[in-house]
Amino acid sequence: KNEVEQSPQNLTAQEGEFITINCSYSVGISALHWLQQHPGGGIVSLFMLSSGKKKHGRLIATINIQEKHSSLHITASHPRDSAVYICAVNRSYNTDKLIFGTGTRLQVFP
Amino acid sequence: ETGVTQTPRHLVMGMTNKKSLKCEQHLGHNAMYWYKQSAKKPLELMFVYNFKEQTENNSVPSRFSPECPNSSHLFLHLHTLQPEDSALYLCASSPATLTLYEKLFFGSGTQLSVL
Repeated sequence: KNEVEQSPQNLTAQEGEFITINCSYSVGISALHWLQQHPGGGIVSLFMLSSGKKKHGRLIATINIQEKHSSLHITASHPRDSAVYICAVNRSYNTDKLIFGTGTRLQVFP
Repeated sequence: ETGVTQTPRHLVMGMTNKKSLKCEQHLGHNAMYWYKQSAKKPLELMFVYNFKEQTENNSVPSRFSPECPNSSHLFLHLHTLQPEDSALYLCASSPATLTLYEKLFFGSGTQLSVL
């Protein structure tokens, strides 16, 4: 069992829908990252958070440290949001080494 | 555009070939990383360099040989690879090795196929 689990693995949505991607982890962490990988491979860091909630445009990331759970929400989804969304965590010790989930593949149709 | 450039974007090589992957960043970052992404598996850290010194080798086979001549450039030298080494190889950088406050900046990756 991976130390970082994401759900769902695949997600399809109609343009405009509200989307939630979940991440659960089983280790003590100092921070959690949400990353976006578009077709072609490049990865962009969306959020890094250690508590509470962060918002950037239509994207919102939340984390509950006690429950070891984070969610990434996309409001008013758009086809350009289609990508793989990856959750990763820094352990509380050995913080140089990120542990990655396997990603959630999102497709948003017009 | 993240500021991290990888070349080539695609590479096909035979098992007896020797090739090199190149990564370049002009973000003023001091830490650089090689990651491997295989189909349906999480990203795997391969190597970490901090101020040109290797600080992490994640049990990577010796057929992968990294080189960091300066803080802006990172190479991954490949020789006698196996078909199971076919994957997307991603370079990343960060201002310093990861702490609570650092983000990673990734390149677009090199898609490697070993025949």
